[in-house]
Amino acid sequence: DTGVSQNPRHKITKRGQNVTFRCDPISEHNRLYWYRQTLGQGPEFLTYFQNEAQLEKSRLLSDRFSAERPKGSFSTLEIQRTEQGDSAMYLCASSRQGGNTEAFFGQGTRLTVV
Amino acid sequence: AQSVSQHNHHVILSEAASLELGCNYSYGGTVNLFWYVQYPGQHLQLLLKYFSGDPLVKGIKGFEAEFIKSKFSFNLRKPSVQWSDTAEYFCAVNRPYNTDKLIFGTGTRLQVFP
Repeated sequence: DTGVSQNPRHKITKRGQNVTFRCDPISEHNRLYWYRQTLGQGPEFLTYFQNEAQLEKSRLLSDRFSAERPKGSFSTLEIQRTEQGDSAMYLCASSRQGGNTEAFFGQGTRLTVV
Repeated sequence: AQSVSQHNHHVILSEAASLELGCNYSYGGTVNLFWYVQYPGQHLQLLLKYFSGDPLVKGIKGFEAEFIKSKFSFNLRKPSVQWSDTAEYFCAVNRPYNTDKLIFGTGTRLQVFP
């Protein structure tokens, strides 16, 4: 499968713990995005990388959230000191650079904070 | 700020009925428009996209959408739905040659009964 891959698929954690998610984009895509989706809502943009550079972060991304893409390939999203409000589906997408491109999404990581 | 409105939150149809899902966006400049579909338990998949040219675009599985610039609309249509079309449908917009981040609507849940 050469699509966008996310791990783990599901994560249950206790409030206050740190969690880290991984995204492997389509190999030739240099753009990578993280989105968050809660029940009954569409995905909301969190952050964006072009190669290894993080070029935009949403105001939704509090200081407890950090994302990296160290070599311009896979990316990680870490949430520190998780709160119940962090429970959501975290989606990763990738695309080629350019004005008229489409994004391909992974299956997401569902986080439940108990 | 850009936003996307989907007027129908939940649509219930019988097989063979016609479908039209509304989508309006708020942004005066050049935009790319997308419809994504999320089947139960699966990742977001692109149904169709509009970048430029013919405002009537055809996508997979018999779906089409019409871009009406004067109305800031991009409604999704299908003449005859099938049970397998049961899914959640998301309209999205981005600004080309920018970050290409997607702004999504809240989604429309479609249920098709045999």
